Amino acid sequence: GAGVSQSPSNKVTEKGKDVELRCDPISGHTALYWYRQSLGQGLEFLIYFQGNSAPDKSGLPSDRFSAERTGGSVSTLTIQRTQQEDSAVYLCASSVIAGMGEKLFFGSGTQLSVL
Amino acid sequence: DQQVKQNSPSLSVQEGRISILNCDYTNSMFDYFLWYKKYPAEGPTFLISISSIKDKNEDGRFTVFLNKSAKHLSLHIVPSQPGDSAVYFCAATRAGANSKLTFGKGITLSVRP
Repeated sequence: GAGVSQSPSNKVTEKGKDVELRCDPISGHTALYWYRQSLGQGLEFLIYFQGNSAPDKSGLPSDRFSAERTGGSVSTLTIQRTQQEDSAVYLCASSVIAGMGEKLFFGSGTQLSVL
Repeated sequence: DQQVKQNSPSLSVQEGRISILNCDYTNSMFDYFLWYKKYPAEGPTFLISISSIKDKNEDGRFTVFLNKSAKHLSLHIVPSQPGDSAVYFCAATRAGANSKLTFGKGITLSVRP
């Protein structure tokens, strides 16, 4: 596709339920990142993939959060036993090395609301 | 501990005037800085970047200034246009492969017609 695609765009769930968020990165981008933005906060790093492996999981807030990536493409972020504090916009980004830094291309995000 | 700080949550300027958005960082290992722009219900989009080997980078109406000794950078938009109204995020990283970006909280810019 032309850009990073995320689904669903909105998800409302009840506390204690599990949710799965999907990210389809730009074709050919080997790096994939998950961030989240809680109300009034900046973008908080969660996890990073290079190919199918995750060299940096340091941002995952608890063991209820997990992510996987298959085929070097699609990634899913799973939140088990959701809590109200998990409510946020979950953003996925992919990248190709550009110069000295990395320019990230973001999807539109999934707005997660835990009731 | 916030490593990238955008202390002003909002800024309002008149169309045609200059907008100056500020950002401070604490991690001296950061050597590459980026600005992203975000409209409601959309993901952030890359705007402009600067390496620590430079103190200024210009792209059309947008200029980023870096003061390494003060650990401070700023984004200047001249002239400001109503379409510039958005949230602007400052981000920093250690340049090189696979370096994650650390973002600030963002500044909401409103440009009044």
